[in-house]
Amino acid sequence: QMQLVESGGGVVQPGRSLRLSCAASGFTFRSHAMQWVRQAPGKGLEWVALISYDGSIKYYADSVKGRFTISRDSSKNTVYLEMNSLRAEDTAVYYCARGPPLGAVDYWGQGTLVTVSS
Amino acid sequence: SYVLTQPPSVSVAPGKTARITCGGNNIGSKSVHWYQHKSGQAPVLVIYYDGDRPSGIPERLSGSKSGNTATLTISRVEAGDEADYYCQVWDTSSDPYTVFGGGTQLTVL
Repeated sequence: QMQLVESGGGVVQPGRSLRLSCAASGFTFRSHAMQWVRQAPGKGLEWVALISYDGSIKYYADSVKGRFTISRDSSKNTVYLEMNSLRAEDTAVYYCARGPPLGAVDYWGQGTLVTVSS
Repeated sequence: SYVLTQPPSVSVAPGKTARITCGGNNIGSKSVHWYQHKSGQAPVLVIYYDGDRPSGIPERLSGSKSGNTATLTISRVEAGDEADYYCQVWDTSSDPYTVFGGGTQLTVL
């Protein structure tokens, strides 16, 4: 069955960096665009970034543009989120998700918690 | 940036009908997707492209749009429907980005 398993979350100090990974299985990874969506404590869902099926197109939310980078490695069926210059407001559960530009997210991972705190 | 407005909460008795609205400027020209999110679990897509249901989603859940409002309707509400529900659209006025509504907490009385 389809699985998206996030890893790499944890506690990090403001201004530092962290890389999240999402291992995909159960579907043809190289055929699908992938996304990251986050949810801060007590808040709603917030889209973070999208990468096209082949990695050639990337879109970012204004709140992370210039600080976060999404990438993928189809040889490892993995999508990444490199997060730099982290801020307290980046504290959230980060979900890996499958879905195309302009379309719906049809599958989500269980999420990984990132806490930015000194 | 584009804004989607949802009521923070909706309460309904079991067996009744719940309607969760999602308002946005010119939403009629955009495709609306809906998600169910239960605490501690991954979100689940329940309606896509305004009114289509993924396999496995019961027919009790339906989506519609009228004017500047999209609506998720849950008929014959069950205790298991209690969750947060989010609407989502894509905006292409500049680089494409997607927006979620603030979410509606559905409480089954």
